[in-house]
Amino acid sequence: AQSVSQHNHHVILSEAASLELGCNYSYGGTVNLFWYVQYPGQHLQLLLKYFSGDPLVKGIKGFEAEFIKSKFSFNLRKPSVQWSDTAEYFCAGGNTGFQKLVFGTGTRLLVSP
Amino acid sequence: NAGVTQTPKFQVLKTGQSMTLQCAQDMNHEYMSWYRQDPGMGLRLIHYSVGAGITDQGEVPNGYNVSRSTTEDFPLRLLLAAPSQTSVYFCASRTSQGYTEAFFGQGTRLTVV
Repeated sequence: AQSVSQHNHHVILSEAASLELGCNYSYGGTVNLFWYVQYPGQHLQLLLKYFSGDPLVKGIKGFEAEFIKSKFSFNLRKPSVQWSDTAEYFCAGGNTGFQKLVFGTGTRLLVSP
Repeated sequence: NAGVTQTPKFQVLKTGQSMTLQCAQDMNHEYMSWYRQDPGMGLRLIHYSVGAGITDQGEVPNGYNVSRSTTEDFPLRLLLAAPSQTSVYFCASRTSQGYTEAFFGQGTRLTVV
């Protein structure tokens, strides 16, 4: 069965620290991968997506992610976090032509000023 | 530019009551899904639809019914509410054309007492 796993459940960082959140997926074939962010009390918003091509994907708000096929990974990175990045982050994936997404369990990020 | 609209935003039910969570999208998307979000468990797929008249079960379908009579609407019905259905529910939609992400509604926070 398809699955997406996120290793870090809670992360606490100080402002200006670098961020890396892990995401691994379990299925083969052509995969489509996403990172969504959920700010407190809000719905999920897309940060970035990968379908094919350059494995280094740049998203909004300075986030980027790297697709490493050999490691089945799609880790999210940001060189310098801000207090406003405090949120929950979800990795999700689906096969090409997918009708449904599989989500990881999420990572709660707290950035202290 | 409404996108995906969910109603109500908040609801309290008594055990055994029934209700329908509404979801409507104005983007002419073929694919629609319902997820529930619980702490530490990420988003889990309840039901999804690939077009009007076509629905299928996700990971956690028990206790929920759906129908898709039009492209725009995808209501989720709880027939006999139980405390275990206390959760935040998100509706999402996506086009079947090309490689795009899913768009989410604002969510419905449901409490069953």
